[in-house]
Parts: sequence; structure tokens; C-alpha cells
Amino acid sequence: DGGITQSPKYLFRKEGQNVTLSCEQNLNHDAMYWYRQDPGQGLRLIYYSQIVNDFQKGDIAEGYSVSREKKESFPLTVTSAQKNPTAFYLCASTPGGGQGTNEQFFGPGTRLTVL
Amino acid sequence: AQTVTQSQPEMSVQEAETVTLSCTYDTSESDYYLFWYKQPPSRQMILVIRQEAYKQQNATENRFSVNFQKAAKSFSLKISDSQLGDAAMYFCAYRGLQGAQKLVFGQGTRLTINP
Repeated sequence: DGGITQSPKYLFRKEGQNVTLSCEQNLNHDAMYWYRQDPGQGLRLIYYSQIVNDFQKGDIAEGYSVSREKKESFPLTVTSAQKNPTAFYLCASTPGGGQGTNEQFFGPGTRLTVL
Repeated sequence: AQTVTQSQPEMSVQEAETVTLSCTYDTSESDYYLFWYKQPPSRQMILVIRQEAYKQQNATENRFSVNFQKAAKSFSLKISDSQLGDAAMYFCAYRGLQGAQKLVFGQGTRLTINP
């Protein structure tokens, strides 16, 4: 089945540690996105990538980093510079280039908690 | 920059009744897409319905329909014959046609279905 997988589902981090959240898609989509969701709030864009080896900052990129070495993968690293990283993180993808239905497909999310 | 506003943090409806969720947006673009996403307790984001701004006809998907008022920049979601499974957070989202197909989300409306 085609879709987006995120791992792990739950992640615990000690203060001062970097952690990497995985996002993989087998939908052959060009564009991928990372969103952050805080309790009672909508989703905010962290980073996005429209093509392999290229990515751009979203609205809240400080303290995060990404890479896009493969079309299928878009990992997000939460660095120690992110002062309040406890949140729910969602990865999404879309065909890109005006293709398809313009819908973004979402993964199941990763809940990150800083201890 | 585009903004999306959902003015109803919480709504409730009796099972089998009809409920309408409100959404307004601000943009200077003439062509764009609007979406309603559902986030049940599993936290998986699910597309409910989409509307292309160039289409005058309101989109409909089974029990879900929208009232799209382009001049007023309003995009409400009507759920008919509400079911217990409709209980979720509902997010309105905007996507322009230029650039990176980023979604801009509203703050969400939590919908409760009373049996």
C-alpha cells in the first residue's frame, strides 16, 4: 500500500540532545513537508522540500534541520537549539508541480517529549 | 501573507443533526485551493473536502458540503446527519497556486457529537 510512514510514534529526548524524526513515502511524490502541532493549535510549517537536494525554511525553522538526499525520505532533526520542542510532528507529501489533486497526504505523526 | 481563521474553538451537535463549521481567510490571490481536514483522536490528518476557487459550484462529498463565498472569503463546512465517527478536530486550510504549495491552517474547531 502506498503511503507515508513516520517513526518513531513516540520519542523522548533529554534536554541538550539532538533527535531525528523519520519520514518516508512511497507515493513517488516530489514535495515533502514538516509541520509542528501544539495542543489546541493548527499546524505550522517547519521546512519543506520540492525536489531532491533542495529544501526551504518554513515559518518556524529555528532549531530544526532537514535533508533530502532521496526522493522518498525527508528526515527532520530537532536540535538542542530548539527551546520548546515538545510537540506533535507531522510529515506530509504532495505530487508537486501542479500535478494530481493538490492534496497533501499526511503521515501518522511523531509525538516528541522533552524530559 | 495568507491567513486562515476559525472562530469556533469548539462545537457540539446532536447525532443525526446538521452542524456548520466556519472558516474565513485572507489572500490577495485570485486562484487558490481550500481544504477541510479532519483529525480524529488517532491524530491522523484526513482530507474531508476540497474546493477550487475558480469553481463557482460548492463541493460536496456525501454528507459533507461547503458554502464557498469567494467575495466574502468565507469557506464553511456543513456536516449533515452527524455521526459519532465525525467527532474530531476540523482544520480549514488554504493553498495558493504560486510557489511551494504550502498549506496555511486555521486554529481548528473541536467537534463533539452528542448521542
